[in-house]
Amino acid sequence: AQTVTQSQPEMSVQEAETVTLSCTYDTSESDYYLFWYKQPPSRQMILVIRQEAYKQQNATENRFSVNFQKAAKSFSLKISDSQLGDAAMYFCAYRSALSGNKLVFGAGTILRVKS
Amino acid sequence: KAGVTQTPRYLIKTRGQQVTLSCSPISGHRSVSWYQQTPGQGLQFLFEYFSETQRNKGNFPGRFSGRQFSNSRSEMNVSTLELGDSALYLCASSLVTSGRESNEQFFGPGTRLTVL
Repeated sequence: AQTVTQSQPEMSVQEAETVTLSCTYDTSESDYYLFWYKQPPSRQMILVIRQEAYKQQNATENRFSVNFQKAAKSFSLKISDSQLGDAAMYFCAYRSALSGNKLVFGAGTILRVKS
Repeated sequence: KAGVTQTPRYLIKTRGQQVTLSCSPISGHRSVSWYQQTPGQGLQFLFEYFSETQRNKGNFPGRFSGRQFSNSRSEMNVSTLELGDSALYLCASSLVTSGRESNEQFFGPGTRLTVL
């Protein structure tokens, strides 16, 4: 069974600074997808960024980028120029290419942004 | 386009009762997945429905069941409620396509179930 580990329960960053959230996963599969989701205090889960395992290039979405290391099974999220609105719980998630839309989530990292 | 809607948003039940939660996916989305979120266990996959068929199931007891209607709306039912069933129940819909698509899932706001 696949597992996702987020080793940082909580992180803090100063507004306008950069922060990196860590995620590792365990799988024996070669075809899968990785995601970072954001869950603000309002509870609506929002997709931040996704990475297809077959793509070597790291995904980027505006201020959000990932460092995908397939051999190391690592998938970290970098947030540049942090904003107050980035404060939320961030979840790393894995989806096998063979198991429909089942997402396996990590425990989450609470990100606090200080002004 | 309207997002994923879930009803009711809040629910209070007592042990032994049963409950039905509803999820309306984004128009055109045919896949609906359900997740349970608790402080202790985090986010756990319950099941996924696609074209009225359950195509994936998580490790939950048989008290948890679901179904999907022809219009893709989905319901999940929990019978004989236990205190440990108190959680935020999230549903997510996606547009299932063929090929190597990441099939982004869009989440609803959730139903907060409290079992007393």
